[in-house]
Amino acid sequence: EIQLQESGPGLVKPSQSLSLTCSVTGYTITSGYDWSWIRKFPGNKMEWMGYISYSGSTNYNPSLKSRISITRDTSKNQFFLQLNSVTTEDTATYYCARYSPYYGYNYFDYWGQGVMVTVSS
Amino acid sequence: NIVLTQSPATLSVTPGESVSLSCRASQSISTSIHWYQQKSNESPRLLIKYASQSISGIPSRFSGSGSGTDFTLSINRVESEDFSIYYCQQSYSSLYTFGAGTKLELK
Repeated sequence: EIQLQESGPGLVKPSQSLSLTCSVTGYTITSGYDWSWIRKFPGNKMEWMGYISYSGSTNYNPSLKSRISITRDTSKNQFFLQLNSVTTEDTATYYCARYSPYYGYNYFDYWGQGVMVTVSS
Repeated sequence: NIVLTQSPATLSVTPGESVSLSCRASQSISTSIHWYQQKSNESPRLLIKYASQSISGIPSRFSGSGSGTDFTLSINRVESEDFSIYYCQQSYSSLYTFGAGTKLELK
């Protein structure tokens, strides 16, 4: 069974960096698919942040492009989110999810449980 | 960006009622729309893919329709476990976007 699990600090200070880990079990992230980060703000708005593909290429939401980095550790089957210069507007629940880039299967099929991150001093 | 507008924002119903949730795209996206259900404190779950295609394990009371810019998620005879938030998401553009969600609540 494919499972994704987010981990990381629940509280980050303004202007600092937010760093999260997504640990994947049941599937090797270099075998296929795109591995995304998505966040849900208070009030329920959802925003796709970006992905790292099975080959290591990345694609980011232009609204975040100057602040975001998604990387991976293939030996641990993990991928990571770093978001720089956070503000209170980055307070959200962060999810990692698998996205299928294959024709006819272009949707998010597996999601982590989510981790709530609050930006506050 | 392709903007998805969901309506209504909140829908209050009693169990047994049948409902329709709307998702409108800011430009034509063929059938590249997917519906997710998110229950409280859970992650989203895929309900319908490509506007109308069913997903294994999802109850048959959930169905979808539409193409172009107007899409509908229908729930035939709502059950108590259906009270949650429903999102549409488009994959027509590689800048994936979600609607703001429709909250289905108990009247």
